Amino acid sequence: DQQVKQNSPSLSVQEGRISILNCDYTNSMFDYFLWYKKYPAEGPTFLISISSIKDKNEDGRFTVFLNKSAKHLSLHIVPSQPGDSAVYFCAARTADSWGKLQFGAGTQVVVTP
Amino acid sequence: GAGVSQSPSNKVTEKGKDVELRCDPISGHTALYWYRQSLGQGLEFLIYFQGNSAPDKSGLPSDRFSAERTGGSVSTLTIQRTQQEDSAVYLCASSPGGPGENIQYFGAGTRLSVL
Repeated sequence: DQQVKQNSPSLSVQEGRISILNCDYTNSMFDYFLWYKKYPAEGPTFLISISSIKDKNEDGRFTVFLNKSAKHLSLHIVPSQPGDSAVYFCAARTADSWGKLQFGAGTQVVVTP
Repeated sequence: GAGVSQSPSNKVTEKGKDVELRCDPISGHTALYWYRQSLGQGLEFLIYFQGNSAPDKSGLPSDRFSAERTGGSVSTLTIQRTQQEDSAVYLCASSPGGPGENIQYFGAGTRLSVL
């Protein structure tokens, strides 16, 4: 049962423009959400997170938005850079199973010059 | 280099053989996690250890899979009688532990190929 879904397997964006990655979830008990970035042959790298008590968290070029009523979160990257080309994973966890992250299938982002 | 270290980086084995995958977590991290990523899929949780508590094994796919963590540090994931569907990248992560804003830091993974 896939509780975290990333419905766009790929995204192509021009350098300097905004990248918007989407993630939907089904479990209303999720209390913490994370985005990871992954380059080929490397492990995922933590990017940004958000608690369920917030609706926005910003860190430099990266902003995560959470819409609890819609069970939807998004990651905005502004401006996109060629080094942002990677696979981005959305992940979530519940408070009573805090060590168990549930991941989406990932979105491959390609930033073109 | 104080990151999570996994060995081997690649492992090719024959169906039916046992394999052991090793993970060295970041020093001082009390929590350790195992995930696997099959081709084209997201990461699938397998097991996590937190301090001296009983591990959460709820993600292990069958009794052929087991993991231990010795001395609260190094962990070994063992797969017995490997099957072709076990082929995947096995990722280990560690964190300072506990609930709250707990960020997991990942190693580069072990790519397992079962022929």
